[in-house]
Amino acid sequence: GAVVSQHPSRVICKSGTSVKIECRSLDFQATTMFWYRQFPKKSLMLMATSNEGSKATYEQGVEKDKFLINHASLTLSTLTVTSAHPEDSSFYICSASEGDTEAFFGQGTRLTVV
Amino acid sequence: DAKTTQPPSMDCAEGRAANLPCNHSTISGNEYVYWYRQIHSQGPQYIIHGLKNNETNEMASLIITEDRKSSTLILPHATLRDTAVYYCIVRPATSGTYKYIFGTGTRLKVLA
Repeated sequence: GAVVSQHPSRVICKSGTSVKIECRSLDFQATTMFWYRQFPKKSLMLMATSNEGSKATYEQGVEKDKFLINHASLTLSTLTVTSAHPEDSSFYICSASEGDTEAFFGQGTRLTVV
Repeated sequence: DAKTTQPPSMDCAEGRAANLPCNHSTISGNEYVYWYRQIHSQGPQYIIHGLKNNETNEMASLIITEDRKSSTLILPHATLRDTAVYYCIVRPATSGTYKYIFGTGTRLKVLA
């Protein structure tokens, strides 16, 4: 299947700092990207949907000023967690699709805020 | 909210077929059934999807009932590496922007 690369796979940051997570589609044009977070032993929770060149659409309850999503090109989307706090510690996962094809997921980023 | 219900867990003996059921009684005519799986601490992996006909690929088979209210994912010869959480999702395939909403999934444990 198609390859979606997420970077970094793990990151530890200090409380109050910002951290950026990158999601790249390596062999296709990602017209749509999705960002999820996942808590231990829980399912994936959709945070936002982004289309290339447009503003992201956030799910209810997700703070758009805290979780900044940029989808400036057809191969790259970024999620920036601003002013991170320990409660933002989680597993963040992106997925990407080209047109109507099925979505492929990155390997995830484990964020720990200390 | 997820539009599917799945049993929380299942066990399967290595080498046997694993049959994972999914109920989607409110599925609409334009919605497809997708299956993904998530191995511990990794991103979900696409398995298969279908509309109404049965589908087969190198990973699995998907059997959809005639009324489309339920489906079964079949792993024909389960191995230990198939131990994962399996998610059944319904969504329209004709819109790439439509969300993938994950339910609680089925935790499959393949036993040696």
